[in-house]
Amino acid sequence: AQSVTQPDIHITVSEGASLELRCNYSYGATPYLFWYVQSPGQGLQLLLKYFSGDTLVQGIKGFEAEFKRSQSSFNLRKPSVHWSDAAEYFCAVGAAGYGGSQGNLIFGKGTKLSVKP
Amino acid sequence: NAGVTQTPKFRILKIGQSMTLQCAQDMNHNYMYWYRQDPGMGLKLIYYSVGAGITDKGEVPNGYNVSRSTTEDFPLRLELAAPSQTSVYFCASRGAGAGYEQYFGPGTRLTVT
Repeated sequence: AQSVTQPDIHITVSEGASLELRCNYSYGATPYLFWYVQSPGQGLQLLLKYFSGDTLVQGIKGFEAEFKRSQSSFNLRKPSVHWSDAAEYFCAVGAAGYGGSQGNLIFGKGTKLSVKP
Repeated sequence: NAGVTQTPKFRILKIGQSMTLQCAQDMNHNYMYWYRQDPGMGLKLIYYSVGAGITDKGEVPNGYNVSRSTTEDFPLRLELAAPSQTSVYFCASRGAGAGYEQYFGPGTRLTVT
């Protein structure tokens, strides 16, 4: 069965410091991978996605993520964090292919990011 | 371009009451989803629909019902509300084909007391 693990429940970084949020997935076939961000009281916004090709993908707001098949990981990174990045971040995996349930996403439990001034 | 809209934003229900959470999208998406989000638990899929007239259960369907009479609308019905249904509910939609990016509404915060 598909699953997504985000090992860190809460991370605090200083403004201007680099950031890496971890995501590990379990899925036997080709996964589609996503990172979403949720600001307090808001819905989820897509940061970036990986389907195939270049394993380093760029997203919005200066975020990037690297797909490592050998480690079943899709970690999110940002070189310099801004106070406005404080939010909750969700990793999700979807199954490639077709059919009714294909494309349904499985979400991790999220990592809450706090930013110190 | 409104995207995915949800109403109401907030609601307090008494135990045993019923209500319908509304969701609409204007992107002509075939696929629509209902999730619930509980603190520290991520998002759990309640029901989904692959097109008008076609719905199926997700991971946590008990206590809920859905219908999909049009492409645009996907209401979620709670019958006999229970405290365990206190949660934030999100509706999402996506287009057909490869990509699978889901677009989310702003959510409905429901409290059952």
